[in-house]
Amino acid sequence: DGGITQSPKYLFRKEGQNVTLSCEQNLNHDAMYWYRQDPGQGLRLIYYSQIVNDFQKGDIAEGYSVSREKKESFPLTVTSAQKNPTAFYLCATKTWQGAYYEQYFGPGTRLTVT
Amino acid sequence: KQEVTQIPAALSVPEGENLVLNCSFTDSAIYNLQWFRQDPGKGLTSLLLIQSSQREQTSGRLNASLDKSSGRSTLYIAASQPGDSATYLCAVSNGNQFYFGTGTSLTVIP
Repeated sequence: DGGITQSPKYLFRKEGQNVTLSCEQNLNHDAMYWYRQDPGQGLRLIYYSQIVNDFQKGDIAEGYSVSREKKESFPLTVTSAQKNPTAFYLCATKTWQGAYYEQYFGPGTRLTVT
Repeated sequence: KQEVTQIPAALSVPEGENLVLNCSFTDSAIYNLQWFRQDPGKGLTSLLLIQSSQREQTSGRLNASLDKSSGRSTLYIAASQPGDSATYLCAVSNGNQFYFGTGTSLTVIP
């Protein structure tokens, strides 16, 4: 069953703690993305990776870090430097369909920091 | 930088009505435009994708159009049903990145 897995669905942390969100895919897609979604603000790009061992900052990378050691995995760490980490986090992949790019999304992780 | 706008932000219609959701973007240099559906607390599900060379795509009761030169797309939903209630987002791609609108929250009243 091909797809994107994000775990856990809900995550709770105390302020000042780092937390890592998991994203795994078995679609064999090269590119992976992390977005943050806040009410009324749409999706904002945090980081993306086009290939293994390479990644680029998105629009709101401050306070976040990523790694891409395997094609299947793109974990996101929310550090204590992120001022307002409570949000819904979405992982996505991108694939070239011969004439266009298409994105696929995971189910998301809701992070609450108190 | 690409800016994507969706109007209206929220829409409430009685069951059975036809409706149109709008999406506009500022940079016409796009590879494609994708319409997504998002249910509360869930990820995004792709509904329709229109390549930059295409004018429209259809899937069941959904029809999406693209006018790249004017930076506009519409999503037409025919004979709306309560199960269509969700947030609808459009996204444009320049190859590397996707740029999303803030979505239209649709409620279909039985």
